[in-house]
Amino acid sequence: DVVLTQTPVSLSVTLGDQASISCRSSQSLEYSDGYTYLEWYLQKPGQSPQLLIYGVSNRFSGVPDRFIGSGSGTDFTLKISRVEPEDLGVYYCFQATHDPLTFGSGTKLEIK
Amino acid sequence: QIQLVQSGPELKKPGESVKISCKASGYTFTDYAMHWVKQAPGKGLKWMGWINTYTGKPTYADDFKGRFVFSLEASASTANLQISNLKNEDTATYFCARMATTDYFDYWGQGVMVTVSS
Repeated sequence: DVVLTQTPVSLSVTLGDQASISCRSSQSLEYSDGYTYLEWYLQKPGQSPQLLIYGVSNRFSGVPDRFIGSGSGTDFTLKISRVEPEDLGVYYCFQATHDPLTFGSGTKLEIK
Repeated sequence: QIQLVQSGPELKKPGESVKISCKASGYTFTDYAMHWVKQAPGKGLKWMGWINTYTGKPTYADDFKGRFVFSLEASASTANLQISNLKNEDTATYFCARMATTDYFDYWGQGVMVTVSS
């Protein structure tokens, strides 16, 4: 199974600062069709997860441009510029390239 | 608007069974696969598998083969998850999630908390 390793486990950020989360995969996430099925989800406290980024760097509808996904192969990053109070929660990377599909272990973002 | 509405919380004893539902609205049910995700208390997300809502064929992750069954009531735009012979470690919130054609989960149910306790 593909293991997604997220770092850091937790992150405390001052409002207005930038946050960066890493997701490293045990295998390349580029599929044979050339697409990379790497997504980022945010689970706010008490809520269901919500999609932020798909295909490494595509923002989902309604997601602010403060959220930027990047990377390729096995190394991926989610950057959140100008962190706002509503950004707190747990961020998960997720891969749909290989079966079984797998989530990263999560990164908890706290506001200082 | 598109919604996935799941059934209510469940309290069960070890060895019992539970069936939870996920009713979809606002789109053509059979056009999108439905996936299931488990979240144990205070833990991360774990993909359980999915069901092809057009053919009804389920696919299970290894950890969810045997006691877990995905099914459909397509006429009611509903996907179901049944867990038999419940164990304490089945205590978790179970989410249904719609998978878009480009393989991301664009809509999620609100989750169902299943508690297994004697």
